[in-house]
Amino acid sequence: DIQMTQSPSTLSASVGDRVTITCRASQNINSWLAWYQQKPGKAPNLLIYKASSLESGVPSRFSGSGSGTEFSLTISSLQPDDFATYYCQQYHLDGTFGQGTKVDIK
Amino acid sequence: EEQLVESGGGLVQPGGSLGLSCVVSGFNFNSYWMHWVRQVPGKGLVWISRIKGDGTATFYADSVKGRFTISRDNINNRLYLQMNSLRAEDTALYYCARGTTSGATYFDRWGRGTLVTVSS
Repeated sequence: DIQMTQSPSTLSASVGDRVTITCRASQNINSWLAWYQQKPGKAPNLLIYKASSLESGVPSRFSGSGSGTEFSLTISSLQPDDFATYYCQQYHLDGTFGQGTKVDIK
Repeated sequence: EEQLVESGGGLVQPGGSLGLSCVVSGFNFNSYWMHWVRQVPGKGLVWISRIKGDGTATFYADSVKGRFTISRDNINNRLYLQMNSLRAEDTALYYCARGTTSGATYFDRWGRGTLVTVSS
């Protein structure tokens, strides 16, 4: 099984901050990685696929990078609507999610 | 509008069975791999099963293999999950999710979920 480890688990930030979340895979997954945003009581929402491809309709302040085993999601200027939990997910072999990173208000 | 709506959740005793359903609309259902993903409230997401657009291939997470069965009805645009031999650790919110036409296992459309509680 491929394990996905996100860091940090919680991130406190302010509106306008640049925020980066990292995700590490236990083995090489090439670029087969997606990122999701989830708000309380809602289903996840796809942000990024294939490590760096922005899903249609997602604001351009979200970006993804990385390949192999190290990946990151960056929000260039945090907006009030961005306070949520973020998950990475590998799809090199089935689909395994990271444990999540909660972005809350500093 | 693309929609996925799950139903069938509820309270079931350990060892019991339950069937979930997901009705979809707004897209060409039989072209897409479809998935079930679950989430214990307050916890992370876990992929549990997928089925090819034509229904000819299915895959399961080890945690549910042999107990759960995924199926689909492409005439009526429905996805199913039959859950047998349920355990307390199967308690979760179950999401129906749309995959891709290529088979890549990421999810661009989700339902709101249906809650399954396994308890005596």
